[in-house]
Amino acid sequence: QVTLKESGPVLVKPTETLTLACTVSGYSLSNRRMGVSWIRQPPGKALEWLAHIFSNDEKSYSASLKSRVTISKDTSKSQVVLTLTNMDPADTATYYCARTSEVISRFFDYWGQGTLVTVSS
Amino acid sequence: SYDLTQPPSVSVSPGQTASITCSGDQLGDKFVCWYQQKAGQSPVLIIYEDTKRPSGIPERFSGSNSGNTATLTISGTQALDEADYYCQAWDGSTGVFGTGTKVTVL
Repeated sequence: QVTLKESGPVLVKPTETLTLACTVSGYSLSNRRMGVSWIRQPPGKALEWLAHIFSNDEKSYSASLKSRVTISKDTSKSQVVLTLTNMDPADTATYYCARTSEVISRFFDYWGQGTLVTVSS
Repeated sequence: SYDLTQPPSVSVSPGQTASITCSGDQLGDKFVCWYQQKAGQSPVLIIYEDTKRPSGIPERFSGSNSGNTATLTISGTQALDEADYYCQAWDGSTGVFGTGTKVTVL
């Protein structure tokens, strides 16, 4: 049974750095043609893709956040970590991690429950 | 940047067919996925690679993609299909989500 679970702070102050962890179970981060993406959703708004990392360590970032976001993984801990620097109230959102599988194209086939992060002083 | 545009809302009567469009430049050259998100829940993959349904997704959900428009069709819509729906594609190695469509079953 594949599960993903996000963890991290629920409240951060403006200008601080957010660090979120995604712990996966039921599969290995070393599985070929699989990765983990981070996706966020501000309250009442649409989904926004942030970044992904694949088993071969391929990484990709949203162009709009590229200067602020970093993704990494620790396969031995089954964890993928997202850091987002210089947090702003506009970054208030539910942050999801999702398994990204590839057959011909890529898709998000399993999602975590999400974690709401509020940016406020 | 690459944009995907969806109608903000679609209304449908129970048992009828709902069609949700997703528009983007040369979208037919890319593969499109669709996600269903019910209130307070995480999104669920319902269509991938334009037309494929994951295991457990009802046959009433179908997808197509051609030209500049991808379409999600819900046949015989049920009350439990009321949700937000998002299309998604890849612009190179960057993921892009559509603006989202709220489906209301009246």
